[in-house]
This record gives sequence, C-alpha cells and structure tokens, in this order.
Amino acid sequence: AQKVTQAQTEISVVEKEDVTLDCVYETRDTTYYLFWYKQPPSGELVFLIRRNSFDEQNEISGRYSWNFQKSTSSFNFTITASQVVDSAVYFCALSADKLIFGTGTRLQVFP
Amino acid sequence: ETGVTQTPRHLVMGMTNKKSLKCEQHLGHNAMYWYKQSAKKPLELMFVYNFKEQTENNSVPSRFSPECPNSSHLFLHLHTLQPEDSALYLCASSQAVEGEAFFGQGTRLTVV
Repeated sequence: AQKVTQAQTEISVVEKEDVTLDCVYETRDTTYYLFWYKQPPSGELVFLIRRNSFDEQNEISGRYSWNFQKSTSSFNFTITASQVVDSAVYFCALSADKLIFGTGTRLQVFP
Repeated sequence: ETGVTQTPRHLVMGMTNKKSLKCEQHLGHNAMYWYKQSAKKPLELMFVYNFKEQTENNSVPSRFSPECPNSSHLFLHLHTLQPEDSALYLCASSQAVEGEAFFGQGTRLTVV
C-alpha cells in the first residue's frame, strides 16, 4: 500500500522567512517517484519537481530546494526567502503503480 | 496554453440532470486521469486510463462514468448525482503512469 503524509495542514510565515514543508511516504516498492505540486487559488496543480527512488541527491532551483532521504522516507521542500506569491497549497505525491497525493499543506505568506 | 484543457470550468446541475465533463490534452501523453478534490479532503484518484484502456477504478460510484475515446480526450459522464458530489474535478495526463502528471484547471461542480 502507498501512503503520503503531510502532517502540517497550514503554515503562516512573514515574507522573507524560510519555510520547510514536510512529506513522509510509505511504499513497499523499490522503484517509485516522488513529486511536489503547487496549487494556487486558481485551482490548477502546477508540477514542481520529480525525483526517482534511486536518486537521493538534493536539488535546488532558485529559492526552492528539496531534501530526499530514503532512510527516513521523507521528501521535504524548503522555500527560502518566501514571497507573497508563494502562498498556495502544496502537495507531495508518490507514484509506484499509481499517483497518490498527500492532504496538502496550505502556506500563507504575509507581507 | 496549459497543455491540459478542461471544460466547462464551472457547472451547476440538479440531481436528475445528465452532464459531461471534458478533458483534452495536447502533450502527446499516453495516460489520463480523473481526480476529485473536495473541501478538507485529499485529492482522490477516481480513474486511470493508459493507452485508452481503463487501468484503475478507485471504487467510484456508477453515477460517474468515464470515457476515453482516444489518448487525447477523456470524458466524465455524470448522472443522478448527489450534493456530496460537489467538488473540483481535475483531469491530468502523463507520458507514463509513473511519470509526472500535468493537470488541467479543473471543473468546479455544484450539485443542487
């Protein structure tokens, strides 16, 4: 069985603060993919990143960075120097035989 | 252009109506999905089509009927829905079922 847990339901920060969104997953498959998506108020889910289970190298893209640790089954997402435009719901997802999502973390960035 | 287009964006229907949601992807993908997103509930996978064949039906009630006439189009036929079916219905596509999915903007459905 697959499961994705995002324990943080809502986070509020002030602009320019760093924020980390947690994601813990469960799967018995040895080959799988992990994803992060952003859902702004408009509703459309925007793909941010995909990692496969064999690649634990952390990744940085501008203000975004991802920390994948198989030992703890975690795939955390950090936004550095947050901005108001980062306000959205962020979903972590796992795909082994099908793509399933966590419950999402609502991030509110205040000016 | 988003690559995945859903119509209509908003739909209000009575419980005795029949309507259809349409999804079209221009990405050349082979897999297409329907997800349901309700308030305070996680994204629920409803159906998966891979190369036009349904590979997943996640215990969805029969009042929801999917149709995939080709790899670019996906429909969700609705009939005799209940108020609790009101939700955002999201369509997505991916090159392969394990790959990253690209989503449409969704159809906001209200059943009255």
